[in-house]
Amino acid sequence: QQPVQSPQAVILREGEDAVINCSSSKALYSVHWYRQKHGEAPVFLMILLKGGEQKGHDKISASFNEKKQQSSLYLTASQLSYSGTYFCGTEKAGGTSYGKLTFGQGTILTVHP
Amino acid sequence: DAGVIQSPRHEVTEMGQEVTLRCKPISGHDYLFWYRQTMMRGLELLIYFNNNVPIDDSGMPEDRFSAKMPNASFSTLKIQPSEPRDSAVYFCASSLRGLAGLVIGELFFGEGSRLTVL
Repeated sequence: QQPVQSPQAVILREGEDAVINCSSSKALYSVHWYRQKHGEAPVFLMILLKGGEQKGHDKISASFNEKKQQSSLYLTASQLSYSGTYFCGTEKAGGTSYGKLTFGQGTILTVHP
Repeated sequence: DAGVIQSPRHEVTEMGQEVTLRCKPISGHDYLFWYRQTMMRGLELLIYFNNNVPIDDSGMPEDRFSAKMPNASFSTLKIQPSEPRDSAVYFCASSLRGLAGLVIGELFFGEGSRLTVL
């Protein structure tokens, strides 16, 4: 089952912050975050394992609340280079399809000067 | 390392023709994924393999689609016969088994194969 991302689109000025949310109706084992620039392949940002951990990547960080089956991606002091579509990918806990990574619909982030 | 290599990069074909997309994963990676991307459906998982064995093909749209991984360094996705609604970008991605309790690690995507069916 596909995770749900919100918002669908965000428009920012350079230096502003943004939060992108990802939620699932199923218990999750891990959450991946990727960014895709127009016409390119998705590129890995980070993975979060169940346990409520928080990770950081430059000024981009994320949290994972396994009880709520939710993850959030935080972009602080946004730069022009942050523009792109952000995808969360979720790996469901349990079952036989181990390693199955299903992506949300994506959130389009646009940063203006 | 050369990364994940997909071919062809672009394919334009007519409805009813057979299409074969190819993927060479990163050497040593034991997971291989095929995704399809469209504006309407986003990134859909079609099928994935672990050690050349298909684990889940529930995302394959219908019998017209088939995928194989005859060895660790090559996979194909075949559509026969192709239809206009199959037009999309098809991505192949590979991954290593994850560390520290993760089943899979970072996915490395190929540049994609853009398919247009007229």
